[in-house]
Amino acid sequence: AQSVTQPDIHITVSEGASLELRCNYSYGATPYLFWYVQSPGQGLQLLLKYFSGDTLVQGIKGFEAEFKRSQSSFNLRKPSVHWSDAAEYFCAVGAPYFGNEKLTFGTGTRLTIIP
Amino acid sequence: DGGITQSPKYLFRKEGQNVTLSCEQNLNHDAMYWYRQDPGQGLRLIYYSQIVNDFQKGDIAEGYSVSREKKESFPLTVTSAQKNPTAFYLCASRPGQGYTDTQYFGPGTRLTVL
Repeated sequence: AQSVTQPDIHITVSEGASLELRCNYSYGATPYLFWYVQSPGQGLQLLLKYFSGDTLVQGIKGFEAEFKRSQSSFNLRKPSVHWSDAAEYFCAVGAPYFGNEKLTFGTGTRLTIIP
Repeated sequence: DGGITQSPKYLFRKEGQNVTLSCEQNLNHDAMYWYRQDPGQGLRLIYYSQIVNDFQKGDIAEGYSVSREKKESFPLTVTSAQKNPTAFYLCASRPGQGYTDTQYFGPGTRLTVL
């Protein structure tokens, strides 16, 4: 069974600084990987996804993520954060062999932005 | 506008009562899902349905029930057997059964059992 680890529960960065959120997965083959963002009391919005091909994936709101098979990682990055980026971020993995009907989510990383 | 609606946004119930959470989508998606979210635990899958009149248990189905009589609707009942029902519940849908399909989420329902 697949699993996802987001080692950072809470990260604080200054507005304008760069950001990297870590995600490590466990799966026997190449998984399908996702990053979602959640504002307080809201649903989840898809930021980006990786299925195959180019390992650097561009998403919405200026985010990107890089799939590194050797490290079993799919870290999310942004070169300059804005106050509106404050939210909770979830990494998720799907198992393509069984179809994409089930996603396994990490426990999330809460991002705080300071002026 | 196309999307997923969940109602109500906030729900309060007394302990021992069953309660049904609504999830409707007008995206013509085949698959629908229910997740439970607790602080620090991420999202956990309760039930999912890939086609009408069919559904499967997720990782934490005990104390919950669902139905899928219509493509656009996937209501979740939280029964009195659920020992700790207070949580944020998220519904999601996905276009089909293709590997590359993405799950889209509704705004959620916060259930508080008093």
